Amino acid sequence: AQTVTQSQPEMSVQEAETVTLSCTYDTSENNYYLFWYKQPPSRQMILVIRQEAYKQQNATENRFSVNFQKAAKSFSLKISDSQLGDTAMYFCAFLGGTSYGKLTFGQGTILTVHP
Amino acid sequence: EAGVAQSPRYKIIEKRQSVAFWCNPISGHATLYWYQQILGQGPKLLIQFQNNGVVDDSQLPKDRFSAERLKGVDSTLKIQPAKLEDSAVYLCASSSESGSGRISYEQYFGPGTRLTVT
Repeated sequence: AQTVTQSQPEMSVQEAETVTLSCTYDTSENNYYLFWYKQPPSRQMILVIRQEAYKQQNATENRFSVNFQKAAKSFSLKISDSQLGDTAMYFCAFLGGTSYGKLTFGQGTILTVHP
Repeated sequence: EAGVAQSPRYKIIEKRQSVAFWCNPISGHATLYWYQQILGQGPKLLIQFQNNGVVDDSQLPKDRFSAERLKGVDSTLKIQPAKLEDSAVYLCASSSESGSGRISYEQYFGPGTRLTVT
């Protein structure tokens, strides 16, 4: 079974600064997807960024980028130029290539952006 | 495009009572998921439907939880009887199929139903 671990329960950052959220995972699969989801206080979960395991290039979406280290099974999220609207719970999630859609989530990291 | 709809948004019941949640996925999405999110934890998949068939219900406590998606569109999740440990947010998500018929990796989540069992 896959496991996803987020070792930082809470993080804080000043507005306009950069913050990195950590995630490690364990799997025996070779083909899979990794995701970061954002859940603001209103609770609607939205996808921030995804990474296909077969791609060596790290994914980037505007101010959000990942550092994907397949051998180390590490998948961190970097948020640049942090904004107040980035305040949310962030979840790292794993989708196996044969999981037919079943996401395995980490415990989450609460990120607070301070003005 | 309308998002995933869920109702009610909040529900408070006493233990041993029953409760039902409703979810309407994004139009055309074949796959529907119910997750349980206990406070301070990540969501855990309870059941996954593809159209009106069950793909995965391995983590559904079947002695008290049931779910259906009779016409392959909207879905209901029921708990009977509820226990204190069922207090959680119940999230519904949906995803489409890719052109090859495989389940799309991107899931769209509803706002959730916060259940409190007293």
